[in-house]
Amino acid sequence: SYELTQPPSVSVSPGQTARITCSGDALPKQYAYWYQQKPGQAPVLVIYKDSERPSGIPERFSGSSSGTTVTLTISGVQAEDEADYYCQSADSSGTFVVFGGGTKLTVL
Amino acid sequence: QLQLQESGPGLVKPSETLSLTCTVSGGSISSSSYYWGWIRQPPGKGLEWIGSIYYSGSTYYNPSLKSRVTISVDTSKNQFSLKLSSVTAADTAVYYCARHVFSGYSSGINWFDPWGQGTLVTVSS
Repeated sequence: SYELTQPPSVSVSPGQTARITCSGDALPKQYAYWYQQKPGQAPVLVIYKDSERPSGIPERFSGSSSGTTVTLTISGVQAEDEADYYCQSADSSGTFVVFGGGTKLTVL
Repeated sequence: QLQLQESGPGLVKPSETLSLTCTVSGGSISSSSYYWGWIRQPPGKGLEWIGSIYYSGSTYYNPSLKSRVTISVDTSKNQFSLKLSSVTAADTAVYYCARHVFSGYSSGINWFDPWGQGTLVTVSS
């Protein structure tokens, strides 16, 4: 079955830039999406179609794509950004929705 | 503002069928271009897509769960439902419903927003 691979954890100090990667063979053909999930809460969409930001999401959140890897970048990280982040996409046929394993962002 | 709310038993016995309903408010479940999906998250683990349904009744499921899953829709009540049969402890999870923005298999348009708050279902005797 198709998989998306994320690093289990990323740590940054406040004000620094956090980059979370997500790798998958079908990413050149399928858009990627990113969700933020804080403890005890439902996931919230922060990036769609690789790099688009929904209304209400701070500008410090951005997304990019290069080949089989997509990246979520959080510039000027704030303490409130500490959360789990999940990428989501589909297999090459588009019939199977898949989530990455999640990355825990720690703000030191 | 569109809101989704899951409801159903919080405890299910092994080998029985888990049944949940998602009620949509602030918008119509019959809106075009939107599917409606179920996603689950075992305690301390990641997200797993279960399946999605269009208001017409068209469905598509995670192949790993397909043999046990049925998703249905009731447009008159603005609700859609999940049934998962023959449950085991491995099915213990928080179950979320969400609007699934999906424009076809080849479009790449395929995301979930917004999500319900989630409901914990425990499988135990």
